[in-house]
Amino acid sequence: DADVTQTPRNRITKTGKRIMLECSQTKGHDRMYWYRQDPGLGLRLIYYSFDVKDINKGEISDGYSVSRQAQAKFSLSLESAIPNQTALYFCATSDPGLAGDIDTQYFGPGTRLTVL
Amino acid sequence: DQQVKQNSPSLSVQEGRISILNCDYTNSMFDYFLWYKKYPAEGPTFLISISSIKDKNEDGRFTVFLNKSAKHLSLHIVPSQPGDSAVYFCAAKGTGAGSYQLTFGKGTKLSVIP
Repeated sequence: DADVTQTPRNRITKTGKRIMLECSQTKGHDRMYWYRQDPGLGLRLIYYSFDVKDINKGEISDGYSVSRQAQAKFSLSLESAIPNQTALYFCATSDPGLAGDIDTQYFGPGTRLTVL
Repeated sequence: DQQVKQNSPSLSVQEGRISILNCDYTNSMFDYFLWYKKYPAEGPTFLISISSIKDKNEDGRFTVFLNKSAKHLSLHIVPSQPGDSAVYFCAAKGTGAGSYQLTFGKGTKLSVIP
């Protein structure tokens, strides 16, 4: 079984609809992240959470919100979807671990979201 | 302004030959560099990393070289195999405040021709 899972894998919705993307992990990591990838671009950070009570905005948080329901679950919501939010969305987890560890991030399979 | 640049959107290499993927960065505060591989319909997979205190890190067929003075790193794959065909992302991170954040390049699509 995959360590980081995302649901749904694909979603088509209409402008103005509320959408929730879900991420679950079995790696036991405290840190979780949401990224988006647009064609021809690298991944950009939307939100990140270092534990259940610690949620922070990333580079491109406008139009998005998140909820960290448990250590293993981190959801991304689009309150009112717009077409330029059409993208691939990735969840990631990490664990800084021992001193000297570089806190490698491990990614889920992604959700392809299309907003019409 | 892009802090991590992968100037080659694509690269084609014959099976068995060496693949060299390049990455340049502008932020001298970056302390760690990572390479991720991404297949279609999958998430990025961590491949190899290097600390700024080193100039080389090797893991099997994959070697990453870092030239800190030139702010340049490269990923060498030897020998290249058809299964290596994927998009490769270079990423960088610093230490201290904001050290969690990975800054990604746009990726290079590698095609290994049998």
